[in-house]
Amino acid sequence: QVQLVQSGAEVKKPGSSVKVSCKASGGTFSSYAISWVRQAPGQGLEWMGGIIPILAIANYAQKFQGRVTITADKSTSTAYMELRSLRSEDTAVYYCAREDSGTYPDAFDIWGQGTLVTVSS
Amino acid sequence: QSALTQPASVSGSPGQSIMISCTGTSSDVGSYNPVSWYQQHPGKAPKLMIYEVNKRPSGVSNRFSGSKSGNTASLTISGLQAEDEADYYCCSYAGSSTPFYVFGTGTTVTVL
Repeated sequence: QVQLVQSGAEVKKPGSSVKVSCKASGGTFSSYAISWVRQAPGQGLEWMGGIIPILAIANYAQKFQGRVTITADKSTSTAYMELRSLRSEDTAVYYCAREDSGTYPDAFDIWGQGTLVTVSS
Repeated sequence: QSALTQPASVSGSPGQSIMISCTGTSSDVGSYNPVSWYQQHPGKAPKLMIYEVNKRPSGVSNRFSGSKSGNTASLTISGLQAEDEADYYCCSYAGSSTPFYVFGTGTTVTVL
């Protein structure tokens, strides 16, 4: 069974960048889409963008375009999300999630454990 | 694209049935786009409960069911159990517009 394992918590200064990783283990990686979803403290879920590793095509929510870059390394089955120009409002738990379009179309069936990113001066 | 609208909270007694609504627009929920539902316990990652409006992934209890009418999707939990106490989020694919996926505002289910 595939698992998504994310990198550890980060504390960043306003204006800096953060790069969170999401490694897939126990199964294939490239043929699925990986999305990044964030959750601010006490708030709901927000889709940021996603990538299909086999195609290396990424799409972003308009809200984050120009500030986020999502990439994937097929050789290590790892996806990355980099968010730049951090501000306090970016403090959140960031999740990666898999979309298996062949089994669960347009749904996220496997999630990483989440990475807390704290932006504070 | 605004978040889909859900009631902030729903409660019920053990054994009862409850329904959570999820209202969007003709561009997301009201279109032919799939709707999914997620359960999230405190401090945990979300878990897929329903996909394509009314289908259950393997391993999800048949006490959970989904439906849709017009711009509103619904999640029904029958035979409510203490372990169902959690936050629930709907999600709709929004087509080629960005963001591609829109989540609901979230509903806290309390088992009395």
